[in-house]
Amino acid sequence: GDSVIQMQGQVTLSENDFLFINCTYSTTGYPTLFWYVQYSGEGPQLLLQVTTANNKGSSRGFEATYDKGTTSFHLQKTSVQEIDSAVYYCAMRENYQLIWGSGTKLIIKP
Amino acid sequence: EAAVTQSPRNKVAVTGGKVTLSCNQTNNHNNMYWYRQDTGHGLRLIHYSYGAGSTEKGDIPDGYKASRPSQENFSLILELATPSQTSVYFCASGGGLGGDTQYFGPGTRLLVL
Repeated sequence: GDSVIQMQGQVTLSENDFLFINCTYSTTGYPTLFWYVQYSGEGPQLLLQVTTANNKGSSRGFEATYDKGTTSFHLQKTSVQEIDSAVYYCAMRENYQLIWGSGTKLIIKP
Repeated sequence: EAAVTQSPRNKVAVTGGKVTLSCNQTNNHNNMYWYRQDTGHGLRLIHYSYGAGSTEKGDIPDGYKASRPSQENFSLILELATPSQTSVYFCASGGGLGGDTQYFGPGTRLLVL
């Protein structure tokens, strides 16, 4: 069946560092892929949606793309700030549902 | 903007007791979802609904029931709560056919003693 793998459980960076989080997916169709962000004490919220391979989505300084050849999609930000500390989830649409990655906790050292 | 509210925000229950978690959305979304979130497991889908009167089993439905009496309201029911159901529960709503953004509520922390 369809699946999403998010290997990085935690990433620790300093302010102004480059962020790169990667997920891999498995599906027979043409996926719509998402990145959600969850701040402490809140529910997840949509950060980015990417519907076409090799196209970029961007929001709040974050960019997301997916590569159909390697069945991977990633989230990046050139210069992270302390306010970016959160858990980031990748997800893939399957019918009416989302298949979720296990989340990457981003810690920013002051 | 999407508005999903949950009540209660925190709940302490006893083993064997009945717990009802409520969710309300004001966006006229067709689809609603219940997830639980545990460290190391991310978000896991318990039940979902396509509209009033419908409920469907998600990936981990055992020990839970759901009820969708109206477009706005979706409840999660634990008939006989167990300590293994201690978790944070999130409700979400989404639009029509697949691909729409899911909007999440703030979550309910449930502790079963």
